[in-house]
Amino acid sequence: QKEVEQDPGPLSVPEGAIVSLNCTYSNSAFQYFMWYRQYSRKGPELLMYTYSSGNKEDGRFTAQVDKSSKYISLFIRDSQPSDSATYLCAMAPGGSYIPTFGRGTSLIVHP
Amino acid sequence: KAGVTQTPRYLIKTRGQQVTLSCSPISGHRSVSWYQQTPGQGLQFLFEYFSETQRNKGNFPGRFSGRQFSNSRSEMNVSTLELGDSALYLCASSGDNTGELFFGEGSRLTVL
Repeated sequence: QKEVEQDPGPLSVPEGAIVSLNCTYSNSAFQYFMWYRQYSRKGPELLMYTYSSGNKEDGRFTAQVDKSSKYISLFIRDSQPSDSATYLCAMAPGGSYIPTFGRGTSLIVHP
Repeated sequence: KAGVTQTPRYLIKTRGQQVTLSCSPISGHRSVSWYQQTPGQGLQFLFEYFSETQRNKGNFPGRFSGRQFSNSRSEMNVSTLELGDSALYLCASSGDNTGELFFGEGSRLTVL
């Protein structure tokens, strides 16, 4: 079992839909949780960053962390075709700043 | 503020050759990490350098090595290339110890 599990998709949704992306993990030492977005032929870019449990909202994006279930989510409201990309979850333990990445979920938002 | 710059963007090598990839971090960032990205394995950590010292290392064979210079620029080298080394190699810099990484666009290596 990998430390971080993420469904590779693809996930195809119509424009305007609410998208839910998820990761599960096994290492209870993870304290920092991140979501990166990667467009084709580009490097990943940081979208959301949270420490420990709880929710964080930034515009159309909401990140949730449930440490008791070892489960994190990224919600995208009013999805746009420009949101079409691969979304990678990443997490790092406290005291070590090397994140472990999920394999990424490919999201396709069609007009 | 300029982002992370990686060169070359694309390169083709044959088995047994070696390759050197270069990374210039964001100005002021002292930590530089390298990752290998493949469709099958995703993003895998190679190593991290901080102030010219290797601070962390992933589970890759000794054929993969790196270094960091006093201006924080970093290079990674892969010797005796194998077909399985074909991948996108990503460099990321960080300005603090929080795991927040800023990635370059990568160097895509094809080994024939």
